[in-house]
Amino acid sequence: DTGVSQDPRHKITKRGQNVTFRCDPISEHNRLYWYRQTLGQGPEFLTYFQNEAQLEKSRLLSDRFSAERPKGSFSTLEIQRTEQGDSAMYLCASSLAASGPYNEQFFGPGTRLTVL
Amino acid sequence: AQTVTQSQPEMSVQEAETVTLSCTYDTSESDYYLFWYKQPPSRQMILVIRQEAYKQQNATENRFSVNFQKAAKSFSLKISDSQLGDAAMYFCAYRMYSGGGADGLTFGKGTHLIIQP
Repeated sequence: DTGVSQDPRHKITKRGQNVTFRCDPISEHNRLYWYRQTLGQGPEFLTYFQNEAQLEKSRLLSDRFSAERPKGSFSTLEIQRTEQGDSAMYLCASSLAASGPYNEQFFGPGTRLTVL
Repeated sequence: AQTVTQSQPEMSVQEAETVTLSCTYDTSESDYYLFWYKQPPSRQMILVIRQEAYKQQNATENRFSVNFQKAAKSFSLKISDSQLGDAAMYFCAYRMYSGGGADGLTFGKGTHLIIQP
């Protein structure tokens, strides 16, 4: 399978706990994006990387959120001290910047987080 | 900040008929991209069609076509010969043309498309 993969697919946690999600992009893609999608809404952009560098962060990405892409391949998104408002689907996408200004983003299946 | 508005939370169409999903957006940029994404139930989002703002010709992909009205900031999706597999959430999305500093997509809230057999 050469698509974007995310792990875990579902995560249930208690308020105040820390959680970490992983995203594996399409192998040759150098850009990786994180989005959050709450029920009944469209995805909201959180952040993106080009290789290891985090180039853009949304104001939605509070201090409790941190994302890394240490070797320019997979990425992790960590949420510290989770709150019930963090319950959402977290989507990862990847693209190949060198494919031109259009650089289509390919999405993964998402990680559904439920904070109790 | 750019915004994308989809005013139809839900649309229903008979199989084999044509349906049009609406999208408007607000931006001060002159160059940008517009997209329609499809999100089937419990499945990942896939790109349906894209439009470059500098192109006057409306994009077409098989049964899917757009009506891009730049002055009106309108970007509707027409699905011809609707099929059961078209049932999904459809999201309109915007991205600035310059990918170097602002590459994130801005999405609308989506339209739930129901196909009646």
